[in-house]
Amino acid sequence: NAGVTQTPKFQVLKTGQSMTLQCAQDMNHEYMSWYRQDPGMGLRLIHYSVGAGITDQGEVPNGYNVSRSTTEDFPLRLLSAAPSQTSVYFCASSYSWVESSYEQYFGPGTRLTVT
Amino acid sequence: KNQVEQSPQSLIILEGKNCTLQCNYTVSPFSNLRWYKQDTGRGPVSLTIMTFSENTKSNGRYTATLDADTKQSSLHITASQLSDSASYICVVSGGGGFKTIFGAGTRLFVKA
Repeated sequence: NAGVTQTPKFQVLKTGQSMTLQCAQDMNHEYMSWYRQDPGMGLRLIHYSVGAGITDQGEVPNGYNVSRSTTEDFPLRLLSAAPSQTSVYFCASSYSWVESSYEQYFGPGTRLTVT
Repeated sequence: KNQVEQSPQSLIILEGKNCTLQCNYTVSPFSNLRWYKQDTGRGPVSLTIMTFSENTKSNGRYTATLDADTKQSSLHITASQLSDSASYICVVSGGGGFKTIFGAGTRLFVKA
């Protein structure tokens, strides 16, 4: 299993540009989520999905869109990039969302800089 | 307010020494507590998961403890190695469903 994969690893955007961060998992996990990690702060939940066709907002959803058309893929779209979105983005997946004690697997991250 | 506080922010130890990292939380109701290791430039990797009824969980040289009454957890690293240099993140789940609160982490440096 490749686990959770993310592309690209690094990205530089200009203010106002849009882009999609890709995330895929091959473990047939029901639950997938996107986090951002900023210096001195804990990871914060952006959006999550409990299954194909079902998504919901997390703690910091503004400026981001998600969709889940398949179990495997969960892309994160930045609609109009802003410098405040400069961060490291992590995608994660877990077998189930109902029981939070299932292990959560993280991807390697995408480092995004918005100038 | 649901919070997870970790201390110290950073720590430097010599290779072979032991160390203990602290995590205090106010998340309620409590479901479980996890410790993750995050190497520089990588995603977090799970070390231990503890539910309300567990007060100790080990994973090799890593031992986590949980006191649900005082809402405190610690991660003890025995006989540290250079490869233990990383950030260690405490994560508490609670409030029902998949609500998780991440601590800011403790940055550990192990020196030869």
